[in-house]
Amino acid sequence: EPEVTQTPSHQVTQMGQEVILRCVPISNHLYFYWYRQILGQKVEFLVSFYNNEISEKSEIFDDQFSVERPDGSNFTLKIRSTKLEDSAMYFCASSIPRGRYGYTFGSGTRLTVV
Amino acid sequence: SQQGEEDPQALSIQEGENATMNCSYKTSINNLQWYRQNSGRGLVHLILIRSNEREKHSGRLRVTLDTSKKSSSLLITASRAADTASYFCARVGIGGGADGLTFGKGTHLIIQP
Repeated sequence: EPEVTQTPSHQVTQMGQEVILRCVPISNHLYFYWYRQILGQKVEFLVSFYNNEISEKSEIFDDQFSVERPDGSNFTLKIRSTKLEDSAMYFCASSIPRGRYGYTFGSGTRLTVV
Repeated sequence: SQQGEEDPQALSIQEGENATMNCSYKTSINNLQWYRQNSGRGLVHLILIRSNEREKHSGRLRVTLDTSKKSSSLLITASRAADTASYFCARVGIGGGADGLTFGKGTHLIIQP
């Protein structure tokens, strides 16, 4: 069964450093998403991406964040200057028609900012 | 809050028993989805029910939707130890997912062997 692949599975970074989280969505999916889950809290929507541009973004997705699909297969989330409160699990997801079928999630990247 | 809220927050039952989890929401939906998350792992899509559907089955899973009450339930029949996980409902708004999925806090289900 097709999978969404995320790398790395765990990243530790110093506060203020830039991090790039990587995802390979399912090849025939058209919509891509990033979500995060702070430990013990809800899964929160960050951003959706379609046709090489941001479709929607939440209040969380401020100027510190950016997304990119650099080569037609990878989908990346960049955090420019990490803060302690950015520590969370970050999940990438993809879907065919936006929202009308189930989303396929990756296993997540656990980001720890120290 | 416009987000789905599950109850109970935690549920512990004996293997073989049925588990029922409930979800409420406040705004109109295009569809509502249930996901499972094993500890420290990703989210696995279980089942999707559209706003014009009332009940859906998938294996040992049964989902109901009552749009008049803005609520849904997930029933797992004949539970197994492997069903131990957190279960989340997530709604897709009328726009069809333009703003992604809105998740509830989840129900942590423990199946006692």
